[in-house]
Amino acid sequence: DTGVSQNPRHKITKRGQNVTFRCDPISEHNRLYWYRQTLGQGPEFLTYFQNEAQLEKSRLLSDRFSAERPKGSFSTLEIQRTEQGDSAMYLCASSFTEGDEQFFGPGTRLTVL
Amino acid sequence: QKEVEQDPGPLSVPEGAIVSLNCTYSNSAFQYFMWYRQYSRKGPELLMYTYSSGNKEDGRFTAQVDKSSKYISLFIRDSQPSDSATYLCAMSSSASKIIFGSGTRLSIRP
Repeated sequence: DTGVSQNPRHKITKRGQNVTFRCDPISEHNRLYWYRQTLGQGPEFLTYFQNEAQLEKSRLLSDRFSAERPKGSFSTLEIQRTEQGDSAMYLCASSFTEGDEQFFGPGTRLTVL
Repeated sequence: QKEVEQDPGPLSVPEGAIVSLNCTYSNSAFQYFMWYRQYSRKGPELLMYTYSSGNKEDGRFTAQVDKSSKYISLFIRDSQPSDSATYLCAMSSSASKIIFGSGTRLSIRP
């Protein structure tokens, strides 16, 4: 499968715990994006990378959120001290370059109890 | 006011009907316009991708962009039950950060 992959697909955690998600983009895609989607809403932009450089971060990305793409390939999104409001689907997308189509992964569904 | 407005539906039509979905937006800087289809508990799947104004056709799908009215549409001809999904309009000024509508739930009745 050469699409965008995300792990885990589901994560249930207790409030206050830290969680980390992983995204593997399509091979040779330079751009990687993170979005968050809550029930009944469209995805909301969180951040994106050009290779290993994080170029833009949304105001939605509070201090508890951090994203990395250390080698310009896979990326991780960490949420510290999770809150119930963090419960959502976290989507990753990748594209070859600016202006190119973004291809989405299946998402990681986070439930914070 | 949201940058992108989309009627959430649900919209239910009989099989074979023509479906019309649309969105309005407020940011005149948007240049890239997209339609995504999302099945339940799946990631969005790109259907149509257009730059600036005009029409684009791909099989049973036609996308229209009217920048003067800040209005985009997606038409689905000969609708099939497998078209039942949530349809998300999306747009961007730089093709980096995409702004999505809230999605329209579509159901095609056999």
